[in-house]
Amino acid sequence: DIVMTQSPVSLSVSPGERVTLSCKTSQSASGRIAWYQQKAGQAPRLLIYAASSRATGVPARFSGSGSGTDFSLTISSLQSEDFAVYYCQHHERWPLTFGGGTRVEVK
Amino acid sequence: QEQLVESGGDVVQPGRSLRVSCAASGFSFGAYAMHWVRQAPGKGLEWVAYISFDGRNTFVPDSMVGRFSVSRDNSKDTVYLQMTNLRHEDTAFYFCARDASGASFWYFDLWGRGTLVTVSS
Repeated sequence: DIVMTQSPVSLSVSPGERVTLSCKTSQSASGRIAWYQQKAGQAPRLLIYAASSRATGVPARFSGSGSGTDFSLTISSLQSEDFAVYYCQHHERWPLTFGGGTRVEVK
Repeated sequence: QEQLVESGGDVVQPGRSLRVSCAASGFSFGAYAMHWVRQAPGKGLEWVAYISFDGRNTFVPDSMVGRFSVSRDNSKDTVYLQMTNLRHEDTAFYFCARDASGASFWYFDLWGRGTLVTVSS
């Protein structure tokens, strides 16, 4: 199984700041990495797929990058509605696995 | 409006069975593969099951083989998750999620709000 490791577990950020979240895979996922945002009490929302492709309707301040086993999600200027938990997931092969999540909190 | 609505979550005793359902609307259900993903309260996400657009192919993690199975009825725009021999650690919100493609891209572009399954004696 591909193990997904996200860091940091949580971080406190001020609105307007730039944020970069990390996701490392235990083996190559061929760039097949998705990112999701989950707010409290809500279902996850797809942000990024195939490492760097933005899903429909996702603001341009969200971007994904990376290759090999190191991937990242960057929010260029954090808005109030972006405070949430972010998960990465590989979509390379079975079983599909998720990272443990990064919580982005208000400083 | 594209929508997925789960139902059937309940409080069940260990060792018992439960089937949860997910009704789709607002899109061509039969053209998409579907998944189930679960989340224990306060914890992260765990993929649970996959079914192809036509129901011919299904996958569950090895840890759930023999206990969890997935099916669908395209005439009713509904996907099901059958869970047997339930354990305390199966307590979670169960989300159904649409695969981004009928070709099975294996990431999820539409999610339901989840249904809570509690395994407790």
